[in-house]
Amino acid sequence: GAGVSQSPSNKVTEKGKDVELRCDPISGHTALYWYRQSLGQGLEFLIYFQGNSAPDKSGLPSDRFSAERTGGSVSTLTIQRTQQEDSAVYLCASSLGLAGGLGVSEQFFGPGTRLTVL
Amino acid sequence: GEDVEQSLFLSVREGDSSVINCTYTDSSSTYLYWYKQEPGAGLQLLTYIFSNMDMKQDQRLTVLLNKKDKHLSLRIADTQTGDSAIYFCAESGAGGSYIPTFGRGTSLIVHP
Repeated sequence: GAGVSQSPSNKVTEKGKDVELRCDPISGHTALYWYRQSLGQGLEFLIYFQGNSAPDKSGLPSDRFSAERTGGSVSTLTIQRTQQEDSAVYLCASSLGLAGGLGVSEQFFGPGTRLTVL
Repeated sequence: GEDVEQSLFLSVREGDSSVINCTYTDSSSTYLYWYKQEPGAGLQLLTYIFSNMDMKQDQRLTVLLNKKDKHLSLRIADTQTGDSAIYFCAESGAGGSYIPTFGRGTSLIVHP
């Protein structure tokens, strides 16, 4: 079956422009995560969606970053007025839910969108 | 310091064993994971261990957990060139949050 897909795979933009990154999770997965991977850095958590609950936005680095998830499926991460430090690979993952009382819930990752801000 | 720490590079010869180490800071971590990332791809879960276990083996992979020292390791037996990738350690459950926290990743280079 289809895995997590992300588009575009690469995006080059000029400083100050807005960008939208798309994530299509695995069908039936209620949890969706966005991470940012910078060169030499680990995965930085950005935002988490679980079903119809309010998203956990605690990882968003500034108010230029926002994300939405429509219909509990596709998610869009928007970065407004991009800066050079926003250059990174943006990874999306989905899972059936969260670990804890329900047991471990494997995250399935997409291939990422490589964003370059000139 | 970082919540999850791991060394950045490891170089081994084909056929040898590789041991990738990871330390974490919060003793309330419930699940500990190892993910593999091949070039240009997303992360793929290799294995995980629950915090009440101290060892888990799956074919060539052995995970050891020392909960007292908050130390996790991944041993790959008979390392092959196809094992060359970045390996990420992650934990969840610390502070009651089940959103996984990842380390910076260890680049494993396997040479002939």
